[in-house]
Amino acid sequence: GAGVSQSPSNKVTEKGKDVELRCDPISGHTALYWYRQSLGQGLEFLIYFQGNSAPDKSGLPSDRFSAERTGGSVSTLTIQRTQQEDSAVYLCASSSVTKSNIQYFGAGTRLSVL
Amino acid sequence: GQNIDQPTEMTATEGAIVQINCTYQTSGFNGLFWYQQHAGEAPTFLSYNVLDGLEEKGRFSSFLSRSKGYSYLLLKELQMKDSASYLCAPVTNNAGNMLTFGGGTRLMVKP
Repeated sequence: GAGVSQSPSNKVTEKGKDVELRCDPISGHTALYWYRQSLGQGLEFLIYFQGNSAPDKSGLPSDRFSAERTGGSVSTLTIQRTQQEDSAVYLCASSSVTKSNIQYFGAGTRLSVL
Repeated sequence: GQNIDQPTEMTATEGAIVQINCTYQTSGFNGLFWYQQHAGEAPTFLSYNVLDGLEEKGRFSSFLSRSKGYSYLLLKELQMKDSASYLCAPVTNNAGNMLTFGGGTRLMVKP
């Protein structure tokens, strides 16, 4: 697509429920990243996918968080048994080495855990 | 490890010049990005420095000194629409695509 697409744009869920957030990167971008941004804070790195390599999961805050990337394109971030502290905006970005590795961001998913 | 320091907030007047500084310590380094983020929106790319020196792009310029672990973003002829957060993000892997973002500098431009 023309840009990074994320869905849903907003998600309200109850504490303890599982949620899935989707990211569709720019076509041809081999690298995909997930970040989390709490209100008024900076971006917190979560996970990074590069081509067919094993993802860098070093930023995932707990084992309730997982992500996968199917076919080297669309990615899904799953949060199990959501907690109130999981409330944040979840941003996805993609990049290509042919474009100086500039990360292009989606509009994000605003997650609210009640 | 990574340690990025930039001012939390700055205020400037429309038409003026403002310089946003960023100092960093990273375990690996391969360039530095600056992003702009308006409230409630996604970050957008502003500049990328991989060599020491000044990169100029219209009203915005970015400077890098790798030996000093220092960068700045210079905004000239400030406009009200420049009110946003500015994020400093050094690259921290050899592939050149892993970024660590600073907390950002919130710039308020006043008439």
